Amino acid sequence: SQTIHQWPATLVQPVGSPLSLECTVEGTSNPNLYWYRQAAGRGLQLLFYSVGIGQISSEVPQNLSASRPQDRQFILSSKKLLLSDSGFYLCAWRQGNQPQHFGDGTRLSIL
Amino acid sequence: GDSVTQMEGPVTLSEEAFLTINCTYTATGYPSLFWYVQYPGEGLQLLLKATKADDKGSNKGFEATYRKETTSFHLEKGSVQVSDSAVYFCALSLISSGSARQLTFGSGTQLTVLP
Repeated sequence: SQTIHQWPATLVQPVGSPLSLECTVEGTSNPNLYWYRQAAGRGLQLLFYSVGIGQISSEVPQNLSASRPQDRQFILSSKKLLLSDSGFYLCAWRQGNQPQHFGDGTRLSIL
Repeated sequence: GDSVTQMEGPVTLSEEAFLTINCTYTATGYPSLFWYVQYPGEGLQLLLKATKADDKGSNKGFEATYRKETTSFHLEKGSVQVSDSAVYFCALSLISSGSARQLTFGSGTQLTVLP
């Protein structure tokens, strides 16, 4: 069966520091991968999606970036975090006609 | 553009009460519709889905019927439990968005069930 892992589960970072969040999927190949952000008390905002290795589409302009160095690995990064980057970050995968399946999320707090 | 409008929360109910969370959508194509649930501190879990008009998705006592004529996908449960307390998200996905099939989410509805 397929599983999705995100880490870390929680992260506290100072303003201006770099960021790297990792997401990996097991049990499938060539999945579509997605990064979402959920601000406190709000809905989900799609940040990036990828339909294949090295292919990244950005949905909103921001100081975040994404990379897909391997088929089942999706990384969310920033060179310098802002206070507004605080939130709950969710990774998801999808393949074929299946719905999207989400990881457990990373709660990011910026101080 | 495509959008999903959900009933504003929070919703507070007593145990065994009837639940309805309204969801309507606008879409340029023929979407698939989903309800996801997010328990406190966790990621989203797919609750149910429907892929064509008049389909009824159901799971864990929850139901939603795809109504093309009213562009709605309201979530219902006949008797809620304390363990149903969570945030519920309505979402749509369009084949016309290509292989990516991004999800468009509603803003979420917080449900609290009191014992």
